Amino acid sequence: NAGVMQNPRHLVRRRGQEARLRCSPMKGHSHVYWYRQLPEEGLKFMVYLQKENIIDESGMPKERFSAEFPKEGPSILRIQQVVRGDSAAYFCASSPLGFSQNTEAFFGQGTRLTVV
Amino acid sequence: DQQVKQNSPSLSVQEGRISILNCDYTNSMFDYFLWYKKYPAEGPTFLISISSIKDKNEDGRFTVFLNKSAKHLSLHIVPSQPGDSAVYFCAANSGNTPLVFGKGTRLSVIA
Repeated sequence: NAGVMQNPRHLVRRRGQEARLRCSPMKGHSHVYWYRQLPEEGLKFMVYLQKENIIDESGMPKERFSAEFPKEGPSILRIQQVVRGDSAAYFCASSPLGFSQNTEAFFGQGTRLTVV
Repeated sequence: DQQVKQNSPSLSVQEGRISILNCDYTNSMFDYFLWYKKYPAEGPTFLISISSIKDKNEDGRFTVFLNKSAKHLSLHIVPSQPGDSAVYFCAANSGNTPLVFGKGTRLSVIA
């Protein structure tokens, strides 16, 4: 029973390039969440998706960031024209039920993005 | 605006003793609280949770206490073991809002 799978584990991008982070939720989970952790900070919510739907994107920066969770395949967090301030650990989590059901979310190992 | 606060960035405890990690929150609408444990270069791992209708939940060596009037919760680990050394995050939410995390407390259990 594989857990939440994220890839790549480490990603280095030059300023101005695009970063694509992938997340495959646990089997049977249809709710996916993306969080970002800056150095010495907690995890900050970015976006909550269900299959083919964005449920809550209140934590997403207005520009350059987008997320999707297609019917088939992993969820993708896309960052266009990366800047040094985007360097962080990006964690994906999944759950069988949404936040409204008081259920815990299970996290992947994260993707560490470094912008040089 | 920090809705979930972990005011101690670090804590050192001797092996076998009790570890007490604290968490305060400001949003009175929060009704579900969780603790996650995180090792370096890994994702957070769910540890234990508590609903606002309870004031205590126990799972083996781990107990979470909730004081709603003080908007405070704590995680007790007893006895502490070296493998418990990690960063512990407190998280909370209400209804259909996303989990809000504190900044974490780094626990070091010394043998």
